[in-house]
Amino acid sequence: AQSVTQLDSHVSVSEGTPVLLRCNYSSSYSPSLFWYVQHPNKGLQLLLKYTSAATLVKGINGFEAEFKKSETSFHLTKPSAHMSDAAEYFCVVIDGGSNYKLTFGKGTLLTVNP
Amino acid sequence: GAVVSQHPSRVICKSGTSVKIECRSLDFQATTMFWYRQFPKQSLMLMATSNEGSKATYEQGVEKDKFLINHASLTLSTLTVTSAHPEDSSFYICSAGRLAYGGYANTGELFFGEGSRLTVL
Repeated sequence: AQSVTQLDSHVSVSEGTPVLLRCNYSSSYSPSLFWYVQHPNKGLQLLLKYTSAATLVKGINGFEAEFKKSETSFHLTKPSAHMSDAAEYFCVVIDGGSNYKLTFGKGTLLTVNP
Repeated sequence: GAVVSQHPSRVICKSGTSVKIECRSLDFQATTMFWYRQFPKQSLMLMATSNEGSKATYEQGVEKDKFLINHASLTLSTLTVTSAHPEDSSFYICSAGRLAYGGYANTGELFFGEGSRLTVL
């Protein structure tokens, strides 16, 4: 069985400061991991994905995430927050086994203060 | 990237009526589409997996007679909320997987619609 834990339900940062959104996972097989962003009343947009290639993954809008198998983590970071980054972020895992269903974390709401 | 369109984006209906939500993959063929439900300030909950030309697979606890899913073509899946009640009010999101050798999921070729907000009075 697979699961995802987003350690913070809400993160608040000042514009221009670093962003860290934490995600831990469990998976029976080699997982694929994703970060999605959702703006209010909108669908989800893929930020980045890890699929067993490079462990440091670069995504859109300056975000990146590092897959750490020993820590079962896939934290999302950005060096400098922008006001437009304010949104809900979801960490998602797909088990590498026969189950291709996405398992979503509960989400982290990022607010960016001016 | 690929585009998935949902329609309508917002719908308000009276209790007891049925509502149909469409999910279309605009520039690719989607053998599999997923339907999710999202409650306010919560994550997405998978309702069902819709495969083109076959019956949908529902998650535990989801009433298949309540939420009718049809995936008649490689570009269209529909979710019909039958005899809607206020507790069915929610944000419904679909996602579509693009045909890819080796299976779409591992390549992350899964694209989400913009969502449909249903309000049942």
